[in-house]
Amino acid sequence: DSGVTQTPKHLITATGQRVTLRCSPRSGDLSVYWYQQSLDQGLQFLIQYYNGEERAKGNILERFSAQQFPDLHSELNLSSLELGDSALYFCASSAYRTYTDTQYFGPGTRLTVL
Amino acid sequence: TQLLEQSPQFLSIQEGENLTVYCNSSSVFSSLQWYRQEPGEGPVLLVTVVTGGEVKKLKRLTFQFGDARKDSSLHITAAQPGDTGLYLCAGLTGANNLFFGTGTRLTVIP
Repeated sequence: DSGVTQTPKHLITATGQRVTLRCSPRSGDLSVYWYQQSLDQGLQFLIQYYNGEERAKGNILERFSAQQFPDLHSELNLSSLELGDSALYFCASSAYRTYTDTQYFGPGTRLTVL
Repeated sequence: TQLLEQSPQFLSIQEGENLTVYCNSSSVFSSLQWYRQEPGEGPVLLVTVVTGGEVKKLKRLTFQFGDARKDSSLHITAAQPGDTGLYLCAGLTGANNLFFGTGTRLTVIP
């Protein structure tokens, strides 16, 4: 158990819909990262938040957005869903006091778009 | 976009055999990490290598970072069924963002 929690574990929805994925970081960790893992693209970095502020962006689509709240939990919002958005979405957290801080990954949310 | 190519993509070996997984990139990374991921779970960090030419050993696993900090290898000695999983290398940028490799799926047959 990494200490990072993600809900829900599974999500099935239809094309065009909007969903919200939730992540609670390890206690004391200020940085949250979102990743997408699909069969054809592998594991890709989407976005990072540090202490409530966006810190870095990766391959995140404009239809996707995220935020980190004052209690440090984070949400990833996916809208106008397409079949290709079906994937595992992972959240990771780190203390982020140095650039080599370990990232701890949650168990992921499996999104299926029908 | 930093691209990390891993080889082989799939590897199936008998228990007790040795194996090496390679991770290659055209980009230079500040450090490189290796993860193992099991079905239904997130990746778990195995090691971080920081210095070019660095070698780290973790029981039966040996990790090496290339001199130019563009490539790395993972060698497993006397593989066991518990080593089965998806092995991912990841290059770390200065902003602590990870760029993952394409992955190597290892199966160790008892």
